[in-house]
Amino acid sequence: SAVISQKPSRDICQRGTSLTIQCQVDSQVTMMFWYRQQPGQSLTLIATANQGSEATYESGFVIDKFPISRPNLTFSTLTVSNMSPEDSSIYLCSVGPTHTEAFFGQGTRLTVV
Amino acid sequence: GNSVTQMEGPVTLSEEAFLTINCTYTATGYPSLFWYVQYPGEGLQLLLKATKADDKGSNKGFEATYRKETTSFHLEKGSVQVSDSAVYFCALSDSDSWGKLQFGAGTQVVVTP
Repeated sequence: SAVISQKPSRDICQRGTSLTIQCQVDSQVTMMFWYRQQPGQSLTLIATANQGSEATYESGFVIDKFPISRPNLTFSTLTVSNMSPEDSSIYLCSVGPTHTEAFFGQGTRLTVV
Repeated sequence: GNSVTQMEGPVTLSEEAFLTINCTYTATGYPSLFWYVQYPGEGLQLLLKATKADDKGSNKGFEATYRKETTSFHLEKGSVQVSDSAVYFCALSDSDSWGKLQFGAGTQVVVTP
């Protein structure tokens, strides 16, 4: 299994500002995933983060809005830029050592005011 | 592309009732199938999984069987408790996706005393 620490656990931010969310894994993993869960909704994949290469974004998500870093095999950050109230969501980091496993961090509950 | 369809909620039950949440999927290859649970105000927890056809996943009295012939992974519990009140998500991970998950819409379950 993998243990994922995600920080911050929650934050309230002013519109127009940016927030960087950190995800630390207790073992080396090839791929890390970032999801968004809007209020009352399911999880939607934002992007896949590979170490040493640009993140791969899903349709509807762009690098300028959600820049991602992956400096090594145990760490990644997601930045939510120029925030608006519509960005209020839970953001979750996930890793999948294989296709039969997927582990999630506790999530970052973001409120934009 | 891959997709997961699960029954809409909310599902409201009395304590000790039988619970079924339907989940069907569309996928290429040989996906792994998961049920996750999200209790109010908490993160996502893996409830059970199955990685190949006819596998049965089970945990905490919940069961689900991977049915390739009907492309289904229905969740069942014989006698629910108030503490089972949560949102349940069905998800799949394709064989080449390294843990990237496709989620269903989620089903809210409310169990009353």
